Amino acid sequence: NAGVMQNPRHLVRRRGQEARLRCSPMKGHSHVYWYRQLPEEGLKFMVYLQKENIIDESGMPKERFSAEFPKEGPSILRIQQVVRGDSAAYFCASSPDGNEQFFGPGTRLTVL
Amino acid sequence: AQSVSQHNHHVILSEAASLELGCNYSYGGTVNLFWYVQYPGQHLQLLLKYFSGDPLVKGIKGFEAEFIKSKFSFNLRKPSVQWSDTAEYFCAARPNDYKLSFGAGTTVTVRA
Repeated sequence: NAGVMQNPRHLVRRRGQEARLRCSPMKGHSHVYWYRQLPEEGLKFMVYLQKENIIDESGMPKERFSAEFPKEGPSILRIQQVVRGDSAAYFCASSPDGNEQFFGPGTRLTVL
Repeated sequence: AQSVSQHNHHVILSEAASLELGCNYSYGGTVNLFWYVQYPGQHLQLLLKYFSGDPLVKGIKGFEAEFIKSKFSFNLRKPSVQWSDTAEYFCAARPNDYKLSFGAGTTVTVRA
């Protein structure tokens, strides 16, 4: 059983561009979580999704950020009009039952 | 604000030395506790977890942690470290929901 997959592993964007981060959960997992890790800080919760539903997006910035987990395909975290402060590592985790979370390798976003 | 704090930012020690990493949380009530490890270039892996029962928890790779409710602590220990234990270690707490709240992490460097 493959682990949680994230791509790309590294993403470079210029200010004002869009960033799309993908997360494929483990097989059989219907719960997906996104976390962000800023330099020198721990991971911070952003959003919790189940198939086609956003359960909790209380950790998401109000503007420019959105997330989806469609019926088919990976979960997508989308950042529009990126700014330098968006530079961070973005981690996805999945769970079969909302209990233990299994993490992916992360996507490191650099905004120039 | 409710949070998780890790006492040490960076720990350097020699092989065969004993390791103890401090973690305190500020949530009241029932809380699930976790220690994750991130080896260089790899994703977060679960070392051990505490939900209830015996407060001394055994994890993988010879790690253990002790939950002390009166001190709101969940310290991680290993009696004798190896060079391969060089990694970043994160303590995390989950109150009565699904969001993991992480500490800032402790970088452990083991010198051969």
